[in-house]
Amino acid sequence: KNEVEQSPQNLTAQEGEFITINCSYSVGISALHWLQQHPGGGIVSLFMLSSGKKKHGRLIATINIQEKHSSLHITASHPRDSAVYICAVMVYSNYQLIWGAGTKLIIKP
Amino acid sequence: DARVTQTPRHKVTEMGQEVTMRCQPILGHNTVFWYRQTMMQGLELLAYFRNRAPLDDSGMPKDRFSAEMPDATLATLKIQPSEPRDSAVYFCASGLPDTDTQYFGPGTRLTVL
Repeated sequence: KNEVEQSPQNLTAQEGEFITINCSYSVGISALHWLQQHPGGGIVSLFMLSSGKKKHGRLIATINIQEKHSSLHITASHPRDSAVYICAVMVYSNYQLIWGAGTKLIIKP
Repeated sequence: DARVTQTPRHKVTEMGQEVTMRCQPILGHNTVFWYRQTMMQGLELLAYFRNRAPLDDSGMPKDRFSAEMPDATLATLKIQPSEPRDSAVYFCASGLPDTDTQYFGPGTRLTVL
């Protein structure tokens, strides 16, 4: 069993839809990152969470430490949101990142 | 805007050649990570430095890969000899040990023919 699991692996939606990507982990963490990778490989850090909820524009990230679960939401999705979204957890003991496999999101006009 | 820089951005080489990738961490950051991304393996940690000292390089094939930090402003990842299976995008990231944020460079796309 992977230490970080994301779902779904692939998601195709229409422009305007509300998007949810889930991440579950099994290790003790100090923080969880949500990252975005566009075609061409550039990685952008969207959020770093250790508790609660964060919002940036149309993006919302939540984390439940007790349940070891985080979600990334995109409201009013747009084709430019099409990318791979990666959940990565910072292991408490050694600051290393363990990555999920990513969710490939395609938003159709 | 402080950024992690990596050079080269793209590298095509023949099997058996030496490849050197360079990373300039953000000034003041004293942790540096090297990651490799492939279609098959996803993103995997190769090496991790703190204050220029390697703390963990267990993810790196030791027979052909080496990672160093000659000084605080430069991290290098070398492959000698390179093999086609090394073709991947190599990312460098830097950060501060007392925070959880890692800042990623743009990556080096390596193709070994």
